[in-house]
Parts: sequence; structure tokens; C-alpha cells
Amino acid sequence: DQQVKQNSPSLSVQEGRISILNCDYTNSMFDYFLWYKKYPAEGPTFLISISSIKDKNEDGRFTVFLNKSAKHLSLHIVPSQPGDSAVYFCAASDRAGNMLTFGGGTRLMVKP
Amino acid sequence: DGGITQSPKYLFRKEGQNVTLSCEQNLNHDAMYWYRQDPGQGLRLIYYSQIVNDFQKGDIAEGYSVSREKKESFPLTVTSAQKNPTAFYLCASRPRDKVNTGELFFGEGSRLTVL
Repeated sequence: DQQVKQNSPSLSVQEGRISILNCDYTNSMFDYFLWYKKYPAEGPTFLISISSIKDKNEDGRFTVFLNKSAKHLSLHIVPSQPGDSAVYFCAASDRAGNMLTFGGGTRLMVKP
Repeated sequence: DGGITQSPKYLFRKEGQNVTLSCEQNLNHDAMYWYRQDPGQGLRLIYYSQIVNDFQKGDIAEGYSVSREKKESFPLTVTSAQKNPTAFYLCASRPRDKVNTGELFFGEGSRLTVL
């Protein structure tokens, strides 16, 4: 049973436009949500996170929105750049913070 | 430079052989983790350790073993009992100030191919 789901395996966006990556979760005990970016044959790198007590967190071109009632979060990248092309993983941790549960990832392709 | 070092980066193994993947960190992090990534799939937790000489099974521990004799080191052994070992293996660690958020720092990964 997947507790964190990313239903879109891939997304293609034109450079300069907005990229919106979505993530759904089922476990109401999740307390923190994170986005990681991963290039092929490399480890994931942390991008941005949000606490369950907030509904928005912004860091430069990246904004994460959390809708607790819908158990849904999204990552907005604006403007999108070709260097943003990568696989993006949504992850969630419970209050103990012992482990992260990851979604299946969304491959973002930003076309010049 | 502080970081997480995984070795080898690429490894080939014949069926029936055990293989050990190394993970070393000099970040002074207490907690360490092993994840597995399969093509087109997310990361799945194999084992984690929050302190030296202690470790816990993750979601897919069958066919794997670990040890945590030193804070800096968390090697993963892929045994012959693992039915489908070909995958990309990622080691991670967590700093104390990220306990509440769960944020992890990852190594570069090791790609294991069983021939």
C-alpha cells in the first residue's frame, strides 16, 4: 500500500513556464513533507520542505503548497529552466522523523 | 570535505554470490539509512540505524543484512537470498537538527547488476 503517490510519471514544460508537480498521501500521521531532486546515477538532493502546520513554503523559484484536508501537496517551479530537468521525489516523515516514505517520482523535462 | 561516500559505484555479481556495499560518512550523523531504487520507481527503505550497534528493518529487508559497529560506517550486504538484487542502492544519513523534519543527506549511490 503506497502511502505517498506521485501519479504523473513524467511532465514536459517549456522553458520560462511554470512546472507543477503533484503528490498525494494517505497517512494522516505524516508531519513533514519534503521534495528531493535527482539526476541519473546520483543521489537525491534536498530541495524544499513544509511542515504540516503550514500551507505554503517558498524558496526562490520553488514553492510547495500543502492541502491537508485533501492530503495533497504540490511543488511549483517558476520560471522553469532546462537545468531543472530531473526526477523529483515527494517524501513524507512522521512525527518521530525516523524514516522518510517516498513517492515514485516524476520526471520533469524542461525544453529550451 | 564532509559527506557520504558509497563504494563501489558500479558492481557486477554472479547469481548466488553475496556482495557488500560500503557507506561511510564523516558528518558525525547518528542515523544512517539504506534505500533501494528500481527503474521508474521510488526509493524503498531496506534498513536504518539510529545509533551504533542498533539497526531496524525497513519495508524490504528480506535478503539483506547490515551492521553498525562504528558511527561512520553502515555497510549493506546483499545476500544470495535476495531474489531480485539488481538495483541502484542509496545510503543516507540524518543530522541531529533534522530529527523532526526527517531530512536526509544521500550518497552518490551504488549500482549493482547481477549477471
